[in-house]
Amino acid sequence: GAGVSQSPSNKVTEKGKDVELRCDPISGHTALYWYRQRLGQGLEFLIYFQGNSAPDKSGLPSDRFSAERTGESVSTLTIQRTQQEDSAVYLCASSLQASSGNTIYFGEGSWLTVV
Amino acid sequence: AQSVTQLDSQVPVFEEAPVELRCNYSSSVSVYLFWYVQYPNQGLQLLLKYLSGSTLVKGINGFEAEFNKSQTSFHLRKPSVHISDTAEYFCAVSPLGGSEKLVFGKGTKLTVNP
Repeated sequence: GAGVSQSPSNKVTEKGKDVELRCDPISGHTALYWYRQRLGQGLEFLIYFQGNSAPDKSGLPSDRFSAERTGESVSTLTIQRTQQEDSAVYLCASSLQASSGNTIYFGEGSWLTVV
Repeated sequence: AQSVTQLDSQVPVFEEAPVELRCNYSSSVSVYLFWYVQYPNQGLQLLLKYLSGSTLVKGINGFEAEFNKSQTSFHLRKPSVHISDTAEYFCAVSPLGGSEKLVFGKGTKLTVNP
């Protein structure tokens, strides 16, 4: 596609429910990143994929968070048993490959509100 | 590990005035440096980046930034701002030879007033 596409753009969920956030990277981009942006905070790195593998999961805040990528394309970020502190914008980004210095391109994010 | 400090959380300026948004970083290894802009209700967009060479980097929309290795700074400047520059600006670094994982500052909200 023309840009990184994320869905849903907005999600309100009840505490304790599971949510799935989807990311479609730019076609041909082998690297895919997930970041979280909480209100008034900078972006926190969650996880990145090179192809379908996730060499760095160091940013996932707890075992309630998981992500997968298939076909070197779409990725899904899953949050189980959501908590109010999970409320944030979840940003997906992609680049040609995971190499320092390459430009990464961001989607518009998925706004998650846990009530 | 790397960290990025954006000293000003909010910067209000009048239209056509110059502006400087400050960014300092800490790293035990050499880094690449980036500035991203986030307009209201939009995703992040790359303004400019420093990889090597000239320490003065020019980006889109008339912005430029200067890398100062001794002061570990990468301040963003524009000589004359427009209302449309109102946005949040994020400084970020990634270590050379790394995975391109970016470490971001907390952002500076630039508000341009008429």
